[in-house]
Amino acid sequence: EIVLTQSPGTLSLSPGETATLSCRASQSVTSSYVAWYQQKSGQAPRLLIFGASTRATGIPDRFRGSGSGTDFTLTISRLEPEDFAVYYCQEYYSLPITFGQGTRLEIK
Amino acid sequence: EVQLLQSGAEMKKPGDSLRISCKVSGYSFTAYWITWVRQMPGQGLEWMGRIDPSDSYTNYGPSFQGHVTFSVDKSINTAFLQWGSLKASDTAVYYCARLVRDGRADYWGQGALVTVSS
Repeated sequence: EIVLTQSPGTLSLSPGETATLSCRASQSVTSSYVAWYQQKSGQAPRLLIFGASTRATGIPDRFRGSGSGTDFTLTISRLEPEDFAVYYCQEYYSLPITFGQGTRLEIK
Repeated sequence: EVQLLQSGAEMKKPGDSLRISCKVSGYSFTAYWITWVRQMPGQGLEWMGRIDPSDSYTNYGPSFQGHVTFSVDKSINTAFLQWGSLKASDTAVYYCARLVRDGRADYWGQGALVTVSS
């Protein structure tokens, strides 16, 4: 089982700033199978990024995914109030599929 | 429009059985796998497993194997998650989601809260 460790656990930033979220895998991950999800309080997760760097339909270009091997990053530029949420990375190639424990992005 | 509509909140006692549903619309039900994800109170997302509606082939996560059962009814475009004997630790929100061929979950249900308490 691939373990995904996200950091930081909580990130406090102000609107307009840039958020950098990290996801580190316990072993090398096929880049094509890394996704990022956003979950707002009381809502279902929403797919943001798949294939490590491809934005899902309707996701603004402020969201950028990057990385390879064991280190992956989600960068959110020009933070908007609606971006403050919890973000999860996921590896979806090998079974069992795994999620990171999440990074909470909160308003400073 | 793709939609996954889950059944409502449930309150059960330990030892009870339960089946919750996920009715899909807006696409061919048998063309995409369905996955189930658990979120315990205040916690992160856990992959429970997946089912191929075309033939009911399943994969279960190691923490869920033997405790839950996935099934589908193709005649009503619905996937099910079932427990034979609930525990208090099953208290959580359960999400169904559609899996694209490569395995990413692109559409999600709204979630179903299951509360197990004596």
